[in-house]
Order: sequence, then C-alpha cells, then structure tokens
Amino acid sequence: AQKVTQAQTEISVVEKEDVTLDCVYETRDTTYYLFWYKQPPSGELVFLIRRNSFDEQNEISGRYSWNFQKSTSSFNFTITASQVVDSAVYFCALSDYRVDDMRFGAGTRLTVKP
Amino acid sequence: KAGVTQTPRYLIKTRGQQVTLSCSPISGHRSVSWYQQTPGQGLQFLFEYFSETQRNKGNFPGRFSGRQFSNSRSEMNVSTLELGDSALYLCASKVGQGDVDTQYFGPGTRLTVL
Repeated sequence: AQKVTQAQTEISVVEKEDVTLDCVYETRDTTYYLFWYKQPPSGELVFLIRRNSFDEQNEISGRYSWNFQKSTSSFNFTITASQVVDSAVYFCALSDYRVDDMRFGAGTRLTVKP
Repeated sequence: KAGVTQTPRYLIKTRGQQVTLSCSPISGHRSVSWYQQTPGQGLQFLFEYFSETQRNKGNFPGRFSGRQFSNSRSEMNVSTLELGDSALYLCASKVGQGDVDTQYFGPGTRLTVL
C-alpha cells in the first residue's frame, strides 16, 4: 500500500528564514512519482514539482529546492529566504506510474510572519 | 491556456438532497480525477475518467458517481447527501496518456450539507 507521511502539522517562521518541509513515503512499486503541491487559502492546489523514482537528482527552482533520497524514502522541500506569500498548506503526494490515484500526506501548514 | 474550472464554487444543500458538480479540464487534457478534501480525512481520491470511461475508483460508497462527456468535461454526483459529505471537492485534469503526466487542480467546489 502507498502512504505519505508529513510529520510536521504546522510550521511558523519569520520572513527570510529558511524552512524545510519533510515528506516520507512508503510504496512497493519500483516506478512511482512524487509531487509537491501548494494550497493557498483560495483552495486551489498548485503544482510545484514532480519527481520520478529513477531520478534522484536534487532540484532547485528559485527559492525552492527539493531533496529526494530513495535510501530514506524521503522527498523534502526547502524554501530559502521565506516570504509572507509562501504562507499556505503544502502537500506531498505519491502515485504509481498511472498518476491518477494520488496519495496525499496530511499537509504542512506554513505560516511566514513579516 | 485556461486552467481547470469548477462550478459552482460554493453550494449549500440539506441532508437527503442530491448534488451535481461540474469540472472543465485544461484544453487537450482527456483525464479528469475527483478528490474529496475534509479536515478529518484529508485529500482522498474519488475516481478518474478518461475518454468517457471510469478508469479507477477510490473507496467511496455508491452514492458518489461521476461521468465524463465527449469534450472531456466531467460531472460528479452525490445522492442522498449526508452531513459528512461536507467537503471541498477538487477536480484535477491531466493529459491522460504517455509517460510524463501531472495532475493540475481546479479551485474546488465547497459543499456544505446542513
């Protein structure tokens, strides 16, 4: 069975601090995809990144970076120099190769204070 | 390209009624998935449609049903509403075939059952 655990329920930081959101997953599939989505108060899930199980390269996109480690089944997300606009709930998700039935973690609510 | 659109954005119904929610996918996307989001259960997969056929289904009672039209637009129906059906219902679309795919979400329909 597939499972995603986001142990951090809520995180509060002050603007310009770096923050890391943890994600641990479980799956028996050899081919799978990992995702991060952002959900602002408006409710829409905004896609941030997709990673397949064969690509363990870390990725950096502006202030965002992702660290994928198969050895520890983790796919962590770091925001550098956080901004108030980063305040949202962040979800980590896992799917098999079909990418239809995605399993989401419980989400981490990030609050960035000015 | 326009994103995924969902109508209506808000709905208030009473127990026992039925409701129909609509989702228009991103142009060119042939797969539509539906998710239910509640504070207690988080994000849960309902079902996925591709080319007017249900390809996958989550663990929800038969009161939850859906369909997809030839233009890829999808509707979701919930009959005999219960208080526990109050949730944010999110629709997501993706291309639906090929190796690389990502679900893009709409803003959701917030359903309140009184």
